[in-house]
Amino acid sequence: RKEVEQDPGPFNVPEGATVAFNCTYSNSASQSFFWYRQDCRKEPKLLMSVYSSGNEDGRFTAQLNRASQYISLLIRDSKLSDSATYLCVVNARNQFYFGTGTSLTVIP
Amino acid sequence: EAQVTQNPRYLITVTGKKLTVTCSQNMNHEYMSWYRQDPGLGLRQIYYSMNVEATDKGDVPEGYKVSRKEKRNFPLILESPSPNQTSLYFCASSRLADSYEQYFGPGTRLTVT
Repeated sequence: RKEVEQDPGPFNVPEGATVAFNCTYSNSASQSFFWYRQDCRKEPKLLMSVYSSGNEDGRFTAQLNRASQYISLLIRDSKLSDSATYLCVVNARNQFYFGTGTSLTVIP
Repeated sequence: EAQVTQNPRYLITVTGKKLTVTCSQNMNHEYMSWYRQDPGLGLRQIYYSMNVEATDKGDVPEGYKVSRKEKRNFPLILESPSPNQTSLYFCASSRLADSYEQYFGPGTRLTVT
């Protein structure tokens, strides 16, 4: 079983739409949680860390449910520039585990 | 400018010819790590280092070696590369393993024929 599982998509949404990505993790010892963004085989870049209380950064909202071992990312008012692959990342005992990514294309 | 650098960016080599991919960071980060990225498998951690002279295996360490003699450098060594090591490799660093964001290098695309 994979440590981190994501729906690979692709998600094709019109500009202005709201889109949600989900991720589950299997290791109950996981301590830290992140969403990264990766553009076309370039290096991943941190989008946001995910906290138990939930957190928001502009149009992006992340949620963590430790009981269900579930992480989500909500993007509101999608922009063309949001087109990318979104990676769910979990840290457990100093090791990082990446989901395979969810592909998003925002259509004009 | 804060950054992680990797060299070379592209490399084509033959089976069995030893190679080293260098990684350097200028942010005084304790934690450094190597990943490989393959289609359908995502990024997988090869080795990581919590600090100088402290390295540990990640999920896919077979066929790789690392060293951490200086805080800023974390080279990845393939003693005898094989075609199944053809991949996109990323180096990353962070201040602490579990609390801080990882900064990634630009990647090294390796082809082993």
